[in-house]
Amino acid sequence: QSVLTQPPSVSGAPGQRVTISCTGSSSNIGAGYDVHWYQQLPGAAPKLLIYANFNRPSGVPDRFSGSKSGTSASLAISGLQAEDEADYYCQSYDGSLSGSVFGGGTKLTVL
Amino acid sequence: QITLKESGPTLVKPTQTLTLTCTFSGFSLSTSPVGVGWIRQPPGKALEWLALIYWDDDKRYSPSLKSRLTITKDTSKNQVVLTMTNMDPLDTATYYCAHSEYKYGHWGQGTLVTVSS
Repeated sequence: QSVLTQPPSVSGAPGQRVTISCTGSSSNIGAGYDVHWYQQLPGAAPKLLIYANFNRPSGVPDRFSGSKSGTSASLAISGLQAEDEADYYCQSYDGSLSGSVFGGGTKLTVL
Repeated sequence: QITLKESGPTLVKPTQTLTLTCTFSGFSLSTSPVGVGWIRQPPGKALEWLALIYWDDDKRYSPSLKSRLTITKDTSKNQVVLTMTNMDPLDTATYYCAHSEYKYGHWGQGTLVTVSS
């Protein structure tokens, strides 16, 4: 059971918009710690997608956006493309555990 | 350009100790707020954070694995070493090391470690 809760799967047709939620608690997201998002393509290492809640590293398309409110965060992907089919993970810091925590991951299927 | 690469055994027996080395380039582990972390992923499962060592030698461990983990750094060699004792088949996973500046911005390719007799 992951400290951060994500839906196991989401899906959408090409061109559509999907969102992936990440729910934490008062010891992590709710305590003000930043949320980061990673994309893991099949057979590859995770790649940083969004950092500090809503910032995109260089090279990440602006179709990807992040937000945070209260004890939750969300990743939105607009204009879905086949290449977006991957697993997505949220990550934050937990003050009670004194370490990083990951979500359980969400598998995005592009229909 | 930041790169990291994990190395170590691909197969260990139950009860043995696993030693993994992360060799990195493109950054210094002597500079605030840099760290190097270890994250693992059992086949078909989610990422699990294991440990992190900071530039100032501060160390953090997953509470559930703390008794079995040790993380150290050799700044002169640009290496970080993770040891995990009393390995179990449930520890079979791909082990990643990653550069940390609050987020894990750069990852190694990962190394698959299988625990089996």
